[in-house]
Amino acid sequence: IAGITQAPTSQILAAGRRMTLRCTQDMRHNAMYWYRQDLGLGLRLIHYSNTAGTTGKGEVPDGYSVSRANTDDFPLTLASAVPSQTSVYFCASSAGDDYNEQFFGPGTRLTVL
Amino acid sequence: GQNIDQPTEMTATEGAIVQINCTYQTSGFNGLFWYQQHAGEAPTFLSYNVLDGLEEKGRFSSFLSRSKGYSYLLLKELQMKDSASYLCAVMDSNYQLIWGAGTKLIIKP
Repeated sequence: IAGITQAPTSQILAAGRRMTLRCTQDMRHNAMYWYRQDLGLGLRLIHYSNTAGTTGKGEVPDGYSVSRANTDDFPLTLASAVPSQTSVYFCASSAGDDYNEQFFGPGTRLTVL
Repeated sequence: GQNIDQPTEMTATEGAIVQINCTYQTSGFNGLFWYQQHAGEAPTFLSYNVLDGLEEKGRFSSFLSRSKGYSYLLLKELQMKDSASYLCAVMDSNYQLIWGAGTKLIIKP
């Protein structure tokens, strides 16, 4: 693994189904983030984690949950998917210091029907 | 509220120079980032400014004026591969990045 990986690459999901998007980083970064990107709206923060064992809510957290059991993994769960959650989801990580450059995974394209 | 403004789309000619502007209003300021994002790909880091002035890195330069809440990204000697979206992001008082919607740059031969 080099950098950040996300799985799956893309997914079509029926409304009401539960879905977990996976994110793993091997850079030993403290902080991790989940964003969604929709046309014309830019990146919007869903949830973040400043360090293993802690999580926080971003700008658009409703309908999503996260966990940070260890440094490397930061899964995002949609408990009951709705069509408005159709988007491209990016996971990112950063060292978590004052500089805070974020490194992005390749993204997951999710379609909820 | 917090706000980052960038033009939605710009067009430029191969070999020319283009300037992409970004204005911001945020709760606190701890630095400004520019990222490049090719269609269907993840954003990648281009530049970081925390002090006023110009930062130069090859064909790309980024300028910051904190008193004016303003930054620009300058791309010189444009190449077709520079066709992408350019994202401006400001790190606020909580060290979270606030993102602009991005500027789609179209390069014509």
